[in-house]
Amino acid sequence: KAGVTQTPRYLIKTRGQQVTLSCSPISGHRSVSWYQQTPGQGLQFLFEYFSETQRNKGNFPGRFSGRQFSNSRSEMNVSTLELGDSALYLCASSSPGTSGVNEQFFGPGTRLTVL
Amino acid sequence: GESVGLHLPTLSVQEGDNSIINCAYSNSASDYFIWYKQESGKGPQFIIDIRSNMDKRQGQRVTVLLNKTVKHLSLQIAATQPGDSAVYFCAENMAAGGTSYGKLTFGQGTILTVHP
Repeated sequence: KAGVTQTPRYLIKTRGQQVTLSCSPISGHRSVSWYQQTPGQGLQFLFEYFSETQRNKGNFPGRFSGRQFSNSRSEMNVSTLELGDSALYLCASSSPGTSGVNEQFFGPGTRLTVL
Repeated sequence: GESVGLHLPTLSVQEGDNSIINCAYSNSASDYFIWYKQESGKGPQFIIDIRSNMDKRQGQRVTVLLNKTVKHLSLQIAATQPGDSAVYFCAENMAAGGTSYGKLTFGQGTILTVHP
């Protein structure tokens, strides 16, 4: 079974631009969560989607948004990029029931650098 | 607020030794805990999990201990190997309340270095 895939793996943008990152979950997984990883803040939860609906959201500004498609693939978008948005963006998929508790499988991440 | 913290950022051991990585969590409502291993250039890899109705769970060469009284979690790795060198994260989730869907709160991580 193929793992979680994320594209692109590396991205360089300049301040003020916007970016879209893509995540394809493991086949059959309907939940996709996004995390931001930085040396200073560690791994922080951005949001989670299940069946095309955002079920949970972390403490990030509105510049960070996401969506999920009917095939469970997910995208996240960051508008008006800031230098502090430079980070590794990780996507994780799982196949939870209504309890929401299931092992999350992570992709390799997208390394975003904002200049 | 919710937080999971690691107090020892680095741990160096000799190959063959046992390693113990500790984690303190602050949210007493958390009922699901996971340990992840992250190697350079890769995403976190699931190691083992434990639910709050358990005190101990064993996997292959790994054991997780949960002490709810002092809100402490530990990962024990037996016969540590060079391939175990990585950053280890603990994470927590509040599943019972139904409000933490897909949300893991991670600790800061511990760098484990295994010397041959």
